[in-house]
Parts: sequence; C-alpha cells; structure tokens
Amino acid sequence: NAGVTQTPKFQVLKTGQSMTLQCAQDMNHNSMYWYRQDPGMGLRLIYYSASEGTTDKGEVPNGYNVSRLNKREFSLRLESAAPSQTSVYFCASVSRQISDTQYFGPGTRLTVL
Amino acid sequence: RKEVEQDPGPFNVPEGATVAFNCTYSNSASQSFFWYRQDCRKEPKLLMSVYSSGNEDGRFTAQLNRASQYISLLIRDSKLSDSATYLCVVNDYKLSFGAGTTVTVRA
Repeated sequence: NAGVTQTPKFQVLKTGQSMTLQCAQDMNHNSMYWYRQDPGMGLRLIYYSASEGTTDKGEVPNGYNVSRLNKREFSLRLESAAPSQTSVYFCASVSRQISDTQYFGPGTRLTVL
Repeated sequence: RKEVEQDPGPFNVPEGATVAFNCTYSNSASQSFFWYRQDCRKEPKLLMSVYSSGNEDGRFTAQLNRASQYISLLIRDSKLSDSATYLCVVNDYKLSFGAGTTVTVRA
C-alpha cells in the first residue's frame, strides 16, 4: 500500500496562475482533508470531505476549491494563486471517524511569486 | 486566543535526559487528544493518543488534565532520533493542531 500520495512535491507559480494539487489514498478511507502549514503556525484545515460526494469548508477556504473525484481522490485547486498561498500543503485521510488516526501525504511545497 | 497553544521551544537536551512539555487547549468540550511527530519538512505522523487516565508507550508518557485544560508529553532517556517537532492535536468536532514544540537531542 502506498498510503496517501500527493503530486506534485514542489511547485512554483506566478501570481494569478492556476493549478491543481492531487491527492490519492489506497486505504479505502471515507474522509479526506486538505491542510496548509505555515512557519510558526499549526496545520490549518482548508477543506474536507467526510465521504465520497461531499465537501465542506474548513478554517481557511478562501482562494481554494476542492473536488472529491471518487473515494480515492481529493484534489485542491487554486484558481488564481496569490503570494499569501505560499505554503506547504498536506492531504490526509482517516477511515471512519475523527478519533481515528489521520494519515498524511508527503506534502506539496508551493511558492507563489 | 488560539485553540491549541504550545511552547515552540526549542528544547535542547543531552542524550539520556528527560524532557517534558505541555499543550493547552481552549475548548473544554474537546473530546480526544493526540501527539503527532513531525520531522523536518516531512508529514506529521501519529505518536500516541492521550487518554484520560494517562498512557505510556515505551519511553513516552502522555497525560491529560481536563481541569486545567492541558496535555503533556514526557520523553525519558532521550535518543538522538527523538529530535523532531511534536504537534499537539485536539479534537473538538474537528482536529485543531498546535504549532509544535521542537526538541533537539544532542550527543
């Protein structure tokens, strides 16, 4: 099992460009999450999907959209990148409920110039 | 006030030492608590869950104090490989992450 995979690992964008971060898990988990991590701050939830077909906003959703394509895949889209979106993005999944362990992907390091 | 607060450290300790640090949380209705470990530029990984009665996993001991709303992590007989950032995570219908406490164990 690969666990949670993310692509790309690194990306540099210019202000105003768009891109999609991909996330996939092969653990048959129901819930998937997107976080961003900035220096000196904890992980902040951008969007989550409790199950296939549903998505909800987290703490910092502005500037992002998501798609839960199927049970395995949960993508994060930046429509018009801004320098404030420079961050490390982590995708995570959990099997049943919030008290279960969250498994994280290796992260995508995004720089917006 | 942040939902979850941690002393950022760093805690610099020699091998074999004991190191302990706390994490405070603001929501008294929080249901469950975790410690995650994050190595430099890597993804967080679960270290241990924190139970009401306190729990131990090898050299690691976690405690919960609901009255004062904090959890703690103690590492005994520190190893070089314990050098990492330790994230406090609190579940109050969603997971809230602390910014992390950095521990550096020196030879």
